[in-house]
Amino acid sequence: AQKVTQAQTEISVVEKEDVTLDCVYETRDTTYYLFWYKQPPSGELVFLIRRNSFDEQNEISGRYSWNFQKSTSSFNFTITASQVVDSAVYFCALSEDSGNTPLVFGKGTRLSVIA
Amino acid sequence: SAVISQKPSRDICQRGTSLTIQCQVDSQVTMMFWYRQQPGQSLTLIATANQGSEATYESGFVIDKFPISRPNLTFSTLTVSNMSPEDSSIYLCSVGRRNEQFFGPGTRLTVL
Repeated sequence: AQKVTQAQTEISVVEKEDVTLDCVYETRDTTYYLFWYKQPPSGELVFLIRRNSFDEQNEISGRYSWNFQKSTSSFNFTITASQVVDSAVYFCALSEDSGNTPLVFGKGTRLSVIA
Repeated sequence: SAVISQKPSRDICQRGTSLTIQCQVDSQVTMMFWYRQQPGQSLTLIATANQGSEATYESGFVIDKFPISRPNLTFSTLTVSNMSPEDSSIYLCSVGRRNEQFFGPGTRLTVL
């Protein structure tokens, strides 16, 4: 069975600090997809990234970066120079087929960025 | 991307009543998913809805409590039946398209 663990329940940082959100996953599939979503206080889920199991390249998008390591089954998310607008709950998720199968979500990490 | 709308966006209901949530997608999709997010919790899959077939429910969710319709490739409904305060949650529909998964804005339900 698939499982996603986000061990950090809540993180609080001061604005401009860097912060890393951890995600560890379990799956028996050789092909799988990993996702990160942001859920601001308004409640909608905002898609951040999708990564398939064959692509271990790290990715950077502005202040966001992701570190995918199959050896440790981790897909960590780093926010550089955090801002108050980054305050949200962040979910890591896993699926065996990115478009046609449902996602298994971690419990989420609540990030608070303090001005 | 996919544009997904849900109605209602929020509702307050009395226990014992039922609420039907609508999910409309801007183009045809094969798979639609319904999730529940209880307060302060993660998202849990309720069921998968394919057009033209019965929905497939996850463990802990039953059709009598959460009947789902999928009359065409752009629309689905989820009914929360005989509600109790424990059903107070955000209900989200989701679709898969071109290797992405998109979520609707959610329906925030409060049961008194």
